[in-house]
Amino acid sequence: EAQVTQNPRYLITVTGKKLTVTCSQNMNHEYMSWYRQDPGLGLRQIYYSMNVEVTDKGDVPEGYKVSRKEKRNFPLILESPSPNQTSLYFCASSPWRGSRGYTFGSGTRLTVV
Amino acid sequence: RKEVEQDPGPFNVPEGATVAFNCTYSNSASQSFFWYRQDCRKEPKLLMSVYSSGNEDGRFTAQLNRASQYISLLIRDSKLSDSATYLCVVTSRRGTYKYIFGTGTRLKVLA
Repeated sequence: EAQVTQNPRYLITVTGKKLTVTCSQNMNHEYMSWYRQDPGLGLRQIYYSMNVEVTDKGDVPEGYKVSRKEKRNFPLILESPSPNQTSLYFCASSPWRGSRGYTFGSGTRLTVV
Repeated sequence: RKEVEQDPGPFNVPEGATVAFNCTYSNSASQSFFWYRQDCRKEPKLLMSVYSSGNEDGRFTAQLNRASQYISLLIRDSKLSDSATYLCVVTSRRGTYKYIFGTGTRLKVLA
């Protein structure tokens, strides 16, 4: 089944404790992206990647890192999480530069206390 | 002004009703247009792409008006299962395709 898999689905952590949210897709998509969704603000792009070893900042990259060492994986790293990073996070992928609609992962609900 | 604007709703409609949502966008160079559906606390799912000539998928019809810079979604014969938030998405080409999401319009179909 074609899908984007995110883990974990739920995570509660403490301020400053590094964490990684994993994202993997099995559709051979070049384009991958991370979003956060907050009430009233909609989906905002954190980082995106056009292909292996090619990543760039989205609209709200502060406090996040990403890497794209393999085509299928695009982990999101929070080196020192803070409470304002409490949010619902989605990973998404798309073929060819994102022009054909995204497939989203199931989401990760992160709470930083 | 937001790049993509939607009426947040909620739109409360009875089963069987026809309901329409509009979405306006500010960048005239926008290239691709989509409607996504999002159920509460779940991931957005692609409902349909929107083409200049208009397109239909069962009870759903999407239209694009480039001159006035809006897209619309029409749902006929609403079902309880249509209750969700509908996200308008516009892409622009700034080096790569950048997706810009509206904040969504909430639909509640009532029995």
